[in-house]
Amino acid sequence: DADVTQTPRNRITKTGKRIMLECSQTKGHDRMYWYRQDPGLGLRLIYYSFDVKDINKGEISDGYSVSRQAQAKFSLSLESAIPNQTALYFCATSRQGGGYTFGSGTRLTVV
Amino acid sequence: KNEVEQSPQNLTAQEGEFITINCSYSVGISALHWLQQHPGGGIVSLFMLSSGKKKHGRLIATINIQEKHSSLHITASHPRDSAVYICAAYGMDSNYQLIWGAGTKLIIKP
Repeated sequence: DADVTQTPRNRITKTGKRIMLECSQTKGHDRMYWYRQDPGLGLRLIYYSFDVKDINKGEISDGYSVSRQAQAKFSLSLESAIPNQTALYFCATSRQGGGYTFGSGTRLTVV
Repeated sequence: KNEVEQSPQNLTAQEGEFITINCSYSVGISALHWLQQHPGGGIVSLFMLSSGKKKHGRLIATINIQEKHSSLHITASHPRDSAVYICAAYGMDSNYQLIWGAGTKLIIKP
């Protein structure tokens, strides 16, 4: 099994729909992150969490929300999806000052 | 100007060639990450280093803290090395997140 598992792998949804992307990890890392990647651009941080009671906005949090249900689970929600949220989404984990482990990504298309 | 810049943006080479990808940064950092993103999208951490040099198989990463520069080298390149290589820096004052370079797209032709 993968250390960081994202579901779903691919999703097509309609404008205005609520959608949740899920991430779970078996690394035992306390830090979890959600990133977005657009074609030709680098990764941009949406939200991050250092532990279950800690949630922080990244550089592009508008239109997104997160929930850290447990140390191992960190979900990303789009309350009302819009087409410019079409992107590749990555969940990642780390220890403080340590290397990152990434999930396989979720390819989201909003039509 | 981006705080972490990579060059070249795109690189095409023949199988067997020695490959160098460069990363320069303008902020103080505590460590630098090199990652590989496969054509299918998955991202794999290759190295994290804060000084000197690290080697893993045909991959070598070096960093010069004084010059604020890091390089990733691939010896005896192979088509399966084709991927996007990304450097990302742990800023001194932002150890909660990485400062990302835009990536170098490498294509190795057989």
